Amino acid sequence: DTAVSQTPKYLVTQMGNDKSIKCEQNLGHDTMYWYKQDSKKFLKIMFSYNNKELIINETVPNRFSPKSPDKAHLNLHINSLELGDSAVYFCASSVRSSGANVLTFGAGSRLTVL
Amino acid sequence: AQTVTQSQPEMSVQEAETVTLSCTYDTSESDYYLFWYKQPPSRQMILVIRQEAYKQQNATENRFSVNFQKAAKSFSLKISDSQLGDAAMYFCAYESGGSNYKLTFGKGTLLTVNP
Repeated sequence: DTAVSQTPKYLVTQMGNDKSIKCEQNLGHDTMYWYKQDSKKFLKIMFSYNNKELIINETVPNRFSPKSPDKAHLNLHINSLELGDSAVYFCASSVRSSGANVLTFGAGSRLTVL
Repeated sequence: AQTVTQSQPEMSVQEAETVTLSCTYDTSESDYYLFWYKQPPSRQMILVIRQEAYKQQNATENRFSVNFQKAAKSFSLKISDSQLGDAAMYFCAYESGGSNYKLTFGKGTLLTVNP
């Protein structure tokens, strides 16, 4: 059983379209995240949810809208896709261990906008 | 804001040898956590090792160990007896203490292991 699973793994779409990426974790973690990895491999947090509540929104354009229907799921919807949205999007969940948030990542979803 | 710097974009090592990856960070906080994550070609991000700033003892996980120098704000990763499977991008990451849920990553070091 995959601990953090994201679908789809690959997504190719045209500029202006709307797309969603789904994420589910079966670890029982309370906190979930979306990170974006750009073409230079730089990883940056986009959103974080704790028990379905948004706790981090890191200056992401409002074309990106996360939704957490329950604490095991965190989906990412992107409206009006732009070329610059092409990236790998990672979902993650975390648990606190000795105070640190230990993240478990999904395998990533590569989004290509043409 | 905290920053994490990995000054070596690429490193290479011979199989069975030892390699050290550098990481420095900038913070005014005293309570924080540091991590090394590995991203092999499969793209999966895997936690390698972590260090709590309040612990003086350097963390070790099998062939992986860190040299944590709190005053110098340095957190290097040593890989001993390098294996072909260690080839990956390695990311250093920082998390503030308290109820902070944000990991700040460095830009990564691409490690090549030569047979």
